[in-house]
Amino acid sequence: AQSVTQLGSHVSVSEGALVLLRCNYSSSVPPYLFWYVQYPNQGLQLLLKYTTGATLVKGINGFEAEFKKSETSFHLTKPSAHMSDAAEYFCAVSDRGAGLGNKLVFGAGTILRVKS
Amino acid sequence: DAGVTQSPTHLIKTRGQQVTLRCSPKSGHDTVSWYQQALGQGPQFIFQYYEEEERQRGNFPDRFSGHQFPNYSSELNVNALLLGDSALYLCASSGGDLLAAWGPDTQYFGPGTRLTVL
Repeated sequence: AQSVTQLGSHVSVSEGALVLLRCNYSSSVPPYLFWYVQYPNQGLQLLLKYTTGATLVKGINGFEAEFKKSETSFHLTKPSAHMSDAAEYFCAVSDRGAGLGNKLVFGAGTILRVKS
Repeated sequence: DAGVTQSPTHLIKTRGQQVTLRCSPKSGHDTVSWYQQALGQGPQFIFQYYEEEERQRGNFPDRFSGHQFPNYSSELNVNALLLGDSALYLCASSGGDLLAAWGPDTQYFGPGTRLTVL
């Protein structure tokens, strides 16, 4: 069975500082990996995804993530935090294209707080 | 281009009642998935519909059922509501254009329906 662990339920950074949100996954087959963001009282918005190929994936709003198979990790980073980045972030895994019949398995989420 | 829409936005029911939630997928999408997000947790997969059939199901009891219509819209039904069914119910759609920005296998989520069971 697949699973996702997000280290740190809450992360606090200063505006302009590096954002690092950690995600480790477990999967018996090559995974597809995703990061979604959720603003209060809203649905989930895709930030980026990894399927195959280049292990450094760039997403929207300046976010990127690196797939490290040896560490089973897919950490999310952003060089400089902005106040608008304050939200909850979810890492998710599926074992193939999610729209073709396979579910997304989500982590518990990390709430990012950005201090001015 | 309209995204995924869900109705109603909020719903309050009492234990034992039945509820129906509705979802319209993003234009061009043919696959609909439903997720339950309890307070403070990540979303959990309920089931997925494609070509009007349930294709995959998560670990949810038979009280949770669904339907997909020919226009690809979908309903989630929950019978005999329990207090523990209180959650945000999210619908996600996928499929469509192979040239779409994130590909046809990416799920796009709606804003959700907040269900409160008293």
